[in-house]
This record gives sequence, structure tokens and C-alpha cells, in this order.
Amino acid sequence: KAGVTQTPRYLIKTRGQQVTLSCSPISGHRSVSWYQQTPGQGLQFLFEYFSETQRNKGNFPGRFSGRQFSNSRSEMNVSTLELGDSALYLCASSLVGGPGTEAFFGQGTRLTVV
Amino acid sequence: AQTVTQSQPEMSVQEAETVTLSCTYDTSESNYYLFWYKQPPSRQMILVIRQEAYKQQNATENRFSVNFQKAAKSFSLKISDSQLGDTAMYFCAFSSTQGGSEKLVFGKGTKLTVNP
Repeated sequence: KAGVTQTPRYLIKTRGQQVTLSCSPISGHRSVSWYQQTPGQGLQFLFEYFSETQRNKGNFPGRFSGRQFSNSRSEMNVSTLELGDSALYLCASSLVGGPGTEAFFGQGTRLTVV
Repeated sequence: AQTVTQSQPEMSVQEAETVTLSCTYDTSESNYYLFWYKQPPSRQMILVIRQEAYKQQNATENRFSVNFQKAAKSFSLKISDSQLGDTAMYFCAFSSTQGGSEKLVFGKGTKLTVNP
């Protein structure tokens, strides 16, 4: 079956702009999580959505937001981009989420802010 | 808050040999999950192995096994018979059983290179 699909794979934006990243989970998976990966901070949890509801949120400013649709697809949005937002953004899906669940990751979206 | 520490930023091993990657974590919880994920140059993270804290038996998956020392809060990964395809970043991760969420807390990773 198809894996987790993230689009676009690469993105270049200018400071101050906003960006929307998309994640299509594995068919049947209802939980979607987002992570930011940078060389300095490593992998950091952004948020998790389950059945269109945000179930958990990491320590990121309000410029980072997300949503999940009824078909479990998820989007994350970053407004007023800063240079420090340059990162690899990873999406992970799982059947129902929750502790101990195996998360299946996409290949990520590489965002560069110039 | 939970923290995960991987003290070896880089390691290398010869093909067919055995290598052990270290991971320590800090938590006040008694039950939780620990994971090792692999991220090859293709960037896609793949689950290598998972351990539930209340299970005393160390998890194994083919050539991959863990040494879980709960009291010491240590969770090392042993890769036996290393293969070139094992070259990747390896991340240790923690998942709390509280809150019902899937949130993973990752270490900074260990870059493993398998040499021919």
C-alpha cells in the first residue's frame, strides 16, 4: 500500500511569507503527527491530529498551525516565515496514534527561508 | 519533561561486524515506550525496534537487538553482522503513556557509517 506522502518535497520561501505543507497518511490511518528537523535542534514535535482534532501540541509559537480533514489528510501552515524556520518537516501517520504506536514517516518537505 | 540523550554523534563499523549505539533518557514515569528509528540519506524515517518499559525481555528484530536497563534509564541498540545498507542516522525516541498522544521525544541522533 502507498506510504505517507508529503508535498511538496522542496520549497523556497522569503521571510515574512506564509507556507502550507501537505501530508497524506497511509490509507486507514487516522493519526497524523508533524515534526521539525534541524541540525541544531534535532527532531522536535509540532503537533498531532486525530479524527480532525488536535490531540497534542509541542512548544512552537502560534505561527505554526495545522489541521486535519475528514479523510485524515493534514496540512500545516507557518505564517510570517523567519530564517530559523528553515528545516525538514516530517509527517508521520499511524492507525490510531497513542503511546507506543508505530509511526510511519513521509520523506519530508525541505523548507528553505531566504 | 522527558529528555533523550545520544552521546555518540558519529560511529563507524566494518561490514559484518557488530556495533552498539548508546541512548539514555530521563523520565519520572514507570511505563513508557522506547524506539530506535533509522533515517537513511533518503530522509524517510523507519522504525527499527520498539520496547515497552514494563516488559523486561529485551526486544529483538533480526540483526537488531536492544539492551534495556530500566533502572539505569539506558536503551542501547546492537546491530549484528552490519551491512552497507545500515548506513544511516539512528535516532532513539521516547513515548509517554500519559495523555494518550503519540508524541515522540527524539535524541539528537548517531550517524552510523558501515565501511566495506
